[in-house]
Amino acid sequence: DQQVKQNSPSLSVQEGRISILNCDYTNSMFDYFLWYKKYPAEGPTFLISISSIKDKNEDGRFTVFLNKSAKHLSLHIVPSQPGDSAVYFCAAREDSNYQLIWGAGTKLIIKP
Amino acid sequence: SAVISQKPSRDICQRGTSLTIQCQVDSQVTMMFWYRQQPGQSLTLIATANQGSEATYESGFVIDKFPISRPNLTFSTLTVSNMSPEDSSIYLCSVGMGNYGYTFGSGTRLTVV
Repeated sequence: DQQVKQNSPSLSVQEGRISILNCDYTNSMFDYFLWYKKYPAEGPTFLISISSIKDKNEDGRFTVFLNKSAKHLSLHIVPSQPGDSAVYFCAAREDSNYQLIWGAGTKLIIKP
Repeated sequence: SAVISQKPSRDICQRGTSLTIQCQVDSQVTMMFWYRQQPGQSLTLIATANQGSEATYESGFVIDKFPISRPNLTFSTLTVSNMSPEDSSIYLCSVGMGNYGYTFGSGTRLTVV
């Protein structure tokens, strides 16, 4: 039972354009969502998060949108840069539980 | 955020042997976690390493196969015992940083032959 789903295994975007990575979840008890970025041979690095009481959180080129009614969140990267090429993981957590539930990841490729 | 030193970074092991992975954190942390990422899969939590008591294992993982030590608030080890090719994965340690996310070690890429 996959509680967090990233349905696109990979995404290719032209440099300078917007990258949109999507994530769906099934557990309505999740109240905190995080995005991580992972380069090969490195551990995941925290990127941005959003609480369920918000619908948008922005940090520089990165914006996360949360649609609770649709149980959907997305990460927007604009403008996309070559260094953004990595695997992006969506993760979710219930407030009562420190355990993160992870999506399978989306490999983002930024084309020059 | 905390800095985690994880080693070894990779290893190739014979089936039936065991490998111990170490994680050293540069500050005291309450919660340390061990994850596994099988090829093409998401991260799966193996266990939460508790200082001074037994680790708390997730469904599908047992202490005999993945013994964990947590002798203090800055260090933990995970052993993968009696390895088989199915244990070939990336193993990651992580510390909880509250609402600012979790910090991960660089991972150990294990190949069992």
